[in-house]
Amino acid sequence: DAGVTQSPTHLIKTRGQQVTLRCSPKSGHDTVSWYQQALGQGPQFIFQYYEEEERQRGNFPDRFSGHQFPNYSSELNVNALLLGDSALYLCASSLAAYGYTFGSGTRLTVV
Amino acid sequence: DQQVKQNSPSLSVQEGRISILNCDYTNSMFDYFLWYKKYPAEGPTFLISISSIKDKNEDGRFTVFLNKSAKHLSLHIVPSQPGDSAVYFCAASERISKAAGNKLTFGGGTRVLVKP
Repeated sequence: DAGVTQSPTHLIKTRGQQVTLRCSPKSGHDTVSWYQQALGQGPQFIFQYYEEEERQRGNFPDRFSGHQFPNYSSELNVNALLLGDSALYLCASSLAAYGYTFGSGTRLTVV
Repeated sequence: DQQVKQNSPSLSVQEGRISILNCDYTNSMFDYFLWYKKYPAEGPTFLISISSIKDKNEDGRFTVFLNKSAKHLSLHIVPSQPGDSAVYFCAASERISKAAGNKLTFGGGTRVLVKP
């Protein structure tokens, strides 16, 4: 049973560029959440998608946007990249309220 | 404003002994607490959780204690094993609903090293 799949695993982008990260949820899960984990810190909630709509959002600027598709997969888009956006981006899926399963993440480096 | 804090960035313990990890929170609306374990190059994996209506939950070698009045929880690992060496995150959630979702607020993590 495949868990949460994220792609790509690593990515290097230049300041000002745009990036799209992808997530396929665990089979049977319908909710996808995105988290940003900076080096040496805990994950920070970006937003959560359910029924193709953003249900809840953390304290992140509008440069961070997302989408959920009818098959429950999701994308995270970040525009006008800053050096400070360099982090591990984690996707988590769930069905029940607390049944989070995390993917291994996408390591984004902005240079 | 950090609502969930893990004040010990690292912990070293001998194999077979007890590991105690601590976590403090400030948001009184939190009603569900979780511990996650993270190995390098992997996502966090769920360990154990506790609802605010309980003060203790046990699962094998892992026990979580919750002190609501002190806004403090702890994770006990007994006995500690070398495979437990990882970063441990405390996380908290407010009362959830289908409409509101279930955002998790994480602490900064504690790196545990279990020495053989």
